[in-house]
Amino acid sequence: GAVVSQHPSWVICKSGTSVKIECRSLDFQATTMFWYRQFPKQSLMLMATSNEGSKATYEQGVEKDKFLINHASLTLSTLTVTSAHPEDSSFYICSARWETQYFGPGTRLLVL
Amino acid sequence: SQKIEQNSEALNIQEGKTATLTCNYTNYSPAYLQWYRQDPGRGPVFLLLIRENEKEKRKERLKVTFDTTLKQSLFHITASQPADSATYLCALGQGAQKLVFGQGTRLTINP
Repeated sequence: GAVVSQHPSWVICKSGTSVKIECRSLDFQATTMFWYRQFPKQSLMLMATSNEGSKATYEQGVEKDKFLINHASLTLSTLTVTSAHPEDSSFYICSARWETQYFGPGTRLLVL
Repeated sequence: SQKIEQNSEALNIQEGKTATLTCNYTNYSPAYLQWYRQDPGRGPVFLLLIRENEKEKRKERLKVTFDTTLKQSLFHITASQPADSATYLCALGQGAQKLVFGQGTRLTINP
């Protein structure tokens, strides 16, 4: 149990385009999901906390207009990177809370 | 500010020995502490959770201790195997809120 999926697993896009990443809890309902970013050889940095039916809470320094988060149901949260630039290239990981946080497999984003 | 330190960036252990990883924290009073395993290019996998009122937790070959006086957790893997090679992350939490992660220790078990 407690499986979290992410889609896509990797994406390459041109600078200036927008990319949407989906995070789904497959066998449980999650009122809270989290979005992290991880750069090579670094730890996970929390970007935002996503609560079903309400606005996401962003960490200091994370631009909410650039990283749009939608948590429309108890099993789905989406992260949209708007007007992506090369510096947004990173490994994006979501987690869903059920007793503890269970993580998705991650999405590798490369912006050219 | 909150600070979490995992004792070393990398640790090499001979197969069959016990691997011990350390997680220290300052300026924080966590209600619980968790350990995760992360393989390259993958998301973290939950291993163990230990609460502030617990001293020790075990799961198969894994053992975690939590000393709130020393502000330290030790993570042990006994009878280590090459398949245990991965990065191990400690994370602190309070209630249902966000986790704060350490930088991770890259463990390599040599055959």
